[in-house]
Amino acid sequence: DAGVIQSPRHEVTEMGQEVTLRCKPISGHNSLFWYRQTMMRGLELLIYFNNNVPIDDSGMPEDRFSAKMPNASFSTLKIQPSEPRDSAVYFCASSGGERETQYFGPGTRLLVL
Amino acid sequence: AQSVTQPDIHITVSEGASLELRCNYSYGATPYLFWYVQSPGQGLQLLLKYFSGDTLVQGIKGFEAEFKRSQSSFNLRKPSVHWSDAAEYFCAAARSSASKIIFGSGTRLSIRP
Repeated sequence: DAGVIQSPRHEVTEMGQEVTLRCKPISGHNSLFWYRQTMMRGLELLIYFNNNVPIDDSGMPEDRFSAKMPNASFSTLKIQPSEPRDSAVYFCASSGGERETQYFGPGTRLLVL
Repeated sequence: AQSVTQPDIHITVSEGASLELRCNYSYGATPYLFWYVQSPGQGLQLLLKYFSGDTLVQGIKGFEAEFKRSQSSFNLRKPSVHWSDAAEYFCAAARSSASKIIFGSGTRLSIRP
């Protein structure tokens, strides 16, 4: 199994630009999670989906952030417009369900100038 | 409020010495408990997890953790550390593996030659 796949691995953009992060969960997993990691705030959950439906988006920082999961094998996290304080590593994770481990992708390192 | 506390920000131990990383949780009921490791520039890898049953949990890479309900703790241990164990270690808790995980702030482990 290829594991959780995230793209791009690195993204550098200018303030005000739209940023789209992509995630392909492990095949057969029905839960998908987006996390953000910063030095100041550590690891924090942004949103998670069960069976493609958003369950908890209370961690999404503001309306500039949106996430979609159009099918079981793909999810996006979009930031529009981006700001320097959005610079962080964004992780996607997937899980096979109850009592199953969450597997993390390698992360996307985002730098907003 | 639910929380996970790792009181040690940074620990340095000598190679071959024993290790214990502390973790305390605050949850309404006994949560699922996890330890993850993150090497520099990498994603998170699960070391071990506790759902129920035996309170001493064995994980990968020679790590183990003990769940102590009376102390609300889930400390990670290794009898003899190797230089390759240098990394950031995160304790985490969740109501279930398919729900949001709350991470501790992490403990950075350095190994003294």
